[in-house]
Amino acid sequence: QVQLVESGGGLVKSGGSLRLSCAASGFSFSDYDMSWVRQAPGKGLEWVSYISSRGTDTNDADSVKGRFTISRDNAKNSLYLQMNSLRDEDTAVYYCARLWSGYYIDYWGQGTLVTVSS
Amino acid sequence: EIVLTQSPGTLSLSPGERATLSCRASQSVSSSFLAWHQQKPGQAPRLLIYHASNRATGIPDRFSGSGSGTDFTLTISRLEPEDFAVYYCHHYPTSPPHTFGQGTKLEIK
Repeated sequence: QVQLVESGGGLVKSGGSLRLSCAASGFSFSDYDMSWVRQAPGKGLEWVSYISSRGTDTNDADSVKGRFTISRDNAKNSLYLQMNSLRDEDTAVYYCARLWSGYYIDYWGQGTLVTVSS
Repeated sequence: EIVLTQSPGTLSLSPGERATLSCRASQSVSSSFLAWHQQKPGQAPRLLIYHASNRATGIPDRFSGSGSGTDFTLTISRLEPEDFAVYYCHHYPTSPPHTFGQGTKLEIK
C-alpha cells in the first residue's frame, strides 16, 4: 500500500534552517509528481511546493519563494524540503503529498511538525 | 491564482441528516479540477472526491460531489458518526499554485 512518511521536523530558532524528508513506498515513486502542503496550528491547509516526477520542474508558493527548496532523489524514493531563513509564521505541520497524474492529491503523509521560535 | 471560499464555516447537524457543503471559486475552474478532502482531528487529510464528482477509492457512496465553473458542492446523503470532521475543497490547476478553501467544520448538533 502507498506510504508516505515524513521526518526532520522539530524546534528551530527564527532565521534557522531545517530539512524535511519524505520516504515513499508502495508505489513507483519516480512516476509521480509530488508536493508539500502545510497546516499552521488550528488553521487550514496551505500548498507550499511542487516538483515534477523527474525533478525538472518545481514551483513554490510566494510565501516561501527564495527560502524553501523542494527536491527529490528517485533512486532513494525520497522527497525533500530544505527550509532556510525560517520565520515564526512557518510554524506548521508539513505534509508530503502524492499527485495523481500531476493533478490532485491522492495520498497524504501523516505530517511532521516544525516549530519556529524567536 | 484562484481563491476558494467555503460555506458555511461551521455546519451543525445530527447523524442521519443530509449535509450540503459549498465551495465557490473566484474564477472559473477549468476542466473541473476541484477535489474535496476530509480531515479528522489529529489526522492527515484524506481524498474524498476528485474532478468535482468522482469518488476516490474506498469512499462510501453517501459522499457525492457536483458542480462546475465557479460553484461546487459536496453532499453527504445520510451522516454517519464518523463523518463529523473538517472538509476542504482544493483546486489543482495544470500549472501550480494549488489552492485550498478555508474549510467547513461539520459538527454534531
